[in-house]
Amino acid sequence: GQSLEQPSEVTAVEGAIVQINCTYQTSGFYGLSWYQQHDGGAPTFLSYNALDGLEETGRFSSFLSRSDSYGYLLLQELQMKDSASYFCAVRARGGATNKLIFGTGTLLAVQP
Amino acid sequence: DGGITQSPKYLFRKEGQNVTLSCEQNLNHDAMYWYRQDPGQGLRLIYYSQIVNDFQKGDIAEGYSVSREKKESFPLTVTSAQKNPTAFYLCASNPGGMNTEAFFGQGTRLTVV
Repeated sequence: GQSLEQPSEVTAVEGAIVQINCTYQTSGFYGLSWYQQHDGGAPTFLSYNALDGLEETGRFSSFLSRSDSYGYLLLQELQMKDSASYFCAVRARGGATNKLIFGTGTLLAVQP
Repeated sequence: DGGITQSPKYLFRKEGQNVTLSCEQNLNHDAMYWYRQDPGQGLRLIYYSQIVNDFQKGDIAEGYSVSREKKESFPLTVTSAQKNPTAFYLCASNPGGMNTEAFFGQGTRLTVV
């Protein structure tokens, strides 16, 4: 089967650094993505890792280790507006086509 | 402006009725997806389509049906066979191939009354 596991909740304070982990199990792997979703809204794309290592985009960085089937999203200089749910996602093989599978989501609460 | 549009934003249905959720995109994307999200939960894949006139079942397809007659449109029908249809439904599109960035609509919140 295919599954992605994330912690359900994380709490941090403004200005801090937080890491959200994701472990995956898929048949065929084409990269790990991260999405942010504010309450009641649409998920928005944050980052993508196809190869091992760290990708940095402003305050957000994402890491991938394909040998460990593991990745994480690192958020620095936390702001109140970063309070949201964060999902990892993989493109997995679905028969002759590929499908986009999402993790269970991590609710990040940023406190003053 | 290019984007993906879902309608309606809120939908109420009586038990035993079928209802169709609309999803339209003008991004010229090949791939389209339907997800279901329950409170505090992740996104579960219902159906997906990589090209026109072709679609595949996702992880929770039972009680749902789709069509992909046009590249721009991927409507989802929630049938009376779906035992627990109250949820937030999200449609997404993606250029296809190895591109992994998905663009989401604003969602339709379906409530069965």
